[in-house]
Amino acid sequence: QTVVTQESSFSVSPGGTVTLTCGLSSGSVSTSYYPSWYQQTPGQAPRSLIFNTNTRSSGVPDRFSGSILGNKAALTITGAQADDECDYYCVLYMGPGISVFGGGTKLTVL
Amino acid sequence: EVQLVESGGGLVQPGGSLRLSCSASGFTFSTCAMHWVRQAPGKGLEYVSAISSNGGSTYYSDSVKGRFTISRDNSKNTLYLQMSSLRTEDTAVYYCAKRVPGVKRYDYWGQGTLVTVSS
Repeated sequence: QTVVTQESSFSVSPGGTVTLTCGLSSGSVSTSYYPSWYQQTPGQAPRSLIFNTNTRSSGVPDRFSGSILGNKAALTITGAQADDECDYYCVLYMGPGISVFGGGTKLTVL
Repeated sequence: EVQLVESGGGLVQPGGSLRLSCSASGFTFSTCAMHWVRQAPGKGLEYVSAISSNGGSTYYSDSVKGRFTISRDNSKNTLYLQMSSLRTEDTAVYYCAKRVPGVKRYDYWGQGTLVTVSS
């Protein structure tokens, strides 16, 4: 069973920079997994932030960026703002029709 | 404007069945693969099932395989999820999500429908 790992929680100061990561319980994340990132505020549907590792979705500010760092996918937020406080999920493509979600990271901005 | 509207959720007893629907509009439904994703109360997102644009290929997570059936009617722009042998752990908000053709991401999500499995 493939498990996608994310930090359960993270804190960042307003204006600061934070990097959230997305790994695999066994093996390394590469661009071949087409990592994507989604943002979810309570009670709302997720919103697409990043896809294909580092492509921003339409309307997403350039302070959100995606990359591969070591053996993990990463989402970096620079100049964190109060309304960035929400949950972030990574998704890895595991083959036709199969996606696996990470457990999500709850980001606190304080 | 793209819209995905789920319906069919509700309260069902363990072992029961339920059929969810997702009505799509604002895009060419027949060209897009569609997924179901769920979120248990207070928990993270979980992939449930997927179907190709023409309905010819279907996929399931191990947790629902053999109990859930995904289907679509492209003439009605509607996606379905037939759920049977429901368990308490199937309690969740169920979202339908649209895949971008040729791109491995979800670009639009419905607002979800709540399924509660309880006696």
